[in-house]
Formats: sequence, structure tokens, C-alpha cells
Amino acid sequence: GDSVTQMEGPVTLSEEAFLTINCTYTATGYPSLFWYVQYPGEGLQLLLKATKADDKGSNKGFEATYRKETTSFHLEKGSVQVSDSAVYFCALSSSGGGADGLTFGKGTHLIIQP
Amino acid sequence: NAGVTQTPKFQVLKTGQSMTLQCAQDMNHEYMSWYRQDPGMGLRLIHYSVGAGITDQGEVPNGYNVSRSTTEDFPLRLLSAAPSQTSVYFCASTAAWGNEQFFGPGTRLTVL
Repeated sequence: GDSVTQMEGPVTLSEEAFLTINCTYTATGYPSLFWYVQYPGEGLQLLLKATKADDKGSNKGFEATYRKETTSFHLEKGSVQVSDSAVYFCALSSSGGGADGLTFGKGTHLIIQP
Repeated sequence: NAGVTQTPKFQVLKTGQSMTLQCAQDMNHEYMSWYRQDPGMGLRLIHYSVGAGITDQGEVPNGYNVSRSTTEDFPLRLLSAAPSQTSVYFCASTAAWGNEQFFGPGTRLTVL
């Protein structure tokens, strides 16, 4: 079945550091890929998405590129802020077969220190 | 638009009690889902619906029932609560599976 693997946290960085959170996936067909963010005590919000190979999703300074050859969708940001502290989830939505809904990674807790 | 709403926000149950978690959306989305979030496990799909009158099981359906009598509402029923069902529950809706899913604020459930 479908699965998503992302680096476990917590990941602790200083403000203005470069961020990479790795995400790889296994899926049938051609899935859509997502990054969701969850701030403390809140639900999940879509951060960015990509629906086909080589697409780059971007939002709020975050970027991720859909790499079919390496089945990856790594999240990057050039200069993080304290306000970026949150839990980040990589997810996929498979376009063919199997259960519908999203398949999530376990989440990466990001802590940005001033 | 209110988006996706969930009630209650918090709930404490005793083992064996039953209850219904409510979920409603006002975006006219056909697709709705229930997830549970547990530490170190991410979110796991419990049940989903592709339209009124149609539901199906996700990854972890045991102990839960759902129904979809209208497009707007998708309640989740716990028939006989167990401590293993202590979790945070999120409802979500989307216009199509490849599109963004919109999540409710969650219900934090504790089963004693």
C-alpha cells in the first residue's frame, strides 16, 4: 500500500538557518503530494502541493519539488523564523486504486530558536 | 464560510460509553474523511465518504461507525469506547482527492 516516510524530529534550528525536511513516498500510480503544517493546538493547514512530476510547490518561503525518479518531496526554506515552529506533515493522495483520503508521514516537529 | 466545524472540542468518556463526534462543512464538498492523530503515528484514516449515502473504511476503522445522510454532515460514532481510542480526531473535506483537504479544528478525546 501507499506510504510516506519523513525524517523524525524534533529538528532544532537557529533563526535564519536553512531548513530541509526529507520526505520519500511509495505509491501506486501518480500521486499528488502535499505538505501540511500544524501549529500548536490547531488543525492542519495546507502549506504547499504538487500534482505531477517536476512540479514545484511554494508558499510562505517554503518550497518542495516533486521528484518521481527519487520518489521524494523534500521541504526547504532558505531562512527560517521563530514563527515557523510547528509540526510538518508530508502526505500523498493516490490517484488510482486503494483507499481514498490522504496517507500521512509521522510528522516532523520543527523548533526554531531565536 | 465557516469551513469545517467539529464538536465537541474536548470530551472525556468512560470505557464502554458511546458517543458521536460531529463534523459539518459548508463548502459543498463531496468527499469527507475522519482521521485520528496519535503521538509518533501521524494521522491515520478511519473512514471516508465520497458522497451522501456512500462510506468506506480507511486504515483503522475498528470500533467506529459513520454515516453520510447529507452532503454537509459526516458524524463519527464510537459504539463502546476503549482507552485505545484516546486520541485527537480530525474531520476533513475536499472537492476531489487530488485537491487540498480542509481540516476541522479537532476533537480531543480521552477514554478512562
